[in-house]
Amino acid sequence: EVQLVQSGAAVKKPGESLKISCKGSGYSFITYWIGWVRQMPGKGLEWMGIIYPYDSDTRYSPSFQGQVIISADRSNNTAYLQWSSLKASDTAMYYCARRGMEGDFDYWGQGTLVSVSS
Amino acid sequence: SYVLTQPPSVSVAPGKTARITCGGNNIGTKSVHWYQQKPGQAPVLVIYYDSDRPSGIPERFSGSNSGNTATLTISRVEAGDEADYYCQVWDTTSDHPVFGGGTKLTVL
Repeated sequence: EVQLVQSGAAVKKPGESLKISCKGSGYSFITYWIGWVRQMPGKGLEWMGIIYPYDSDTRYSPSFQGQVIISADRSNNTAYLQWSSLKASDTAMYYCARRGMEGDFDYWGQGTLVSVSS
Repeated sequence: SYVLTQPPSVSVAPGKTARITCGGNNIGTKSVHWYQQKPGQAPVLVIYYDSDRPSGIPERFSGSNSGNTATLTISRVEAGDEADYYCQVWDTTSDHPVFGGGTKLTVL
């Protein structure tokens, strides 16, 4: 069974750093792209970026380029999303999702809620 | 960049048919995917490649795509279908996925 399991909720202060994770199982992790999607409270889905764990080829949405770093550890079947200096506007739910063969996102993690407040 | 336009809301009575549209320039030349997101839950893929259903998705869910509009059709709507629905394509120009703004389906 394909599963993406994300790390737990995080409560941070502005300026702090954070790295959240997404661990895949039940399939060949390194041969599927993993994407990250932001959902701000009460809003829609925004694509942030995507990584191919086999060689760590990474693409970013222009809206998030330079704001976050996406990485992967193929030995641990895990993808990561990190911030070096959080802002209150980073408060959101973050989902990882596997890119399917047709350009869809066929499996999703359960989401990680990030709250940033002073 | 490529833009997908969805109506903010659609309402339908139980047992009737709901149609949710997704507009985009020549969207008929792209593969369209649809997601259902219930409150407090992660999105779930309900239609991919315009009209294919993943395993476990009821036959009541179907999709079509032509010209400038793709449509998600939900037949014999049930109370449990109440959710937000998002369309998505892969924009080959930017090599990025694009999501529509989402449609809230209300079952009356």
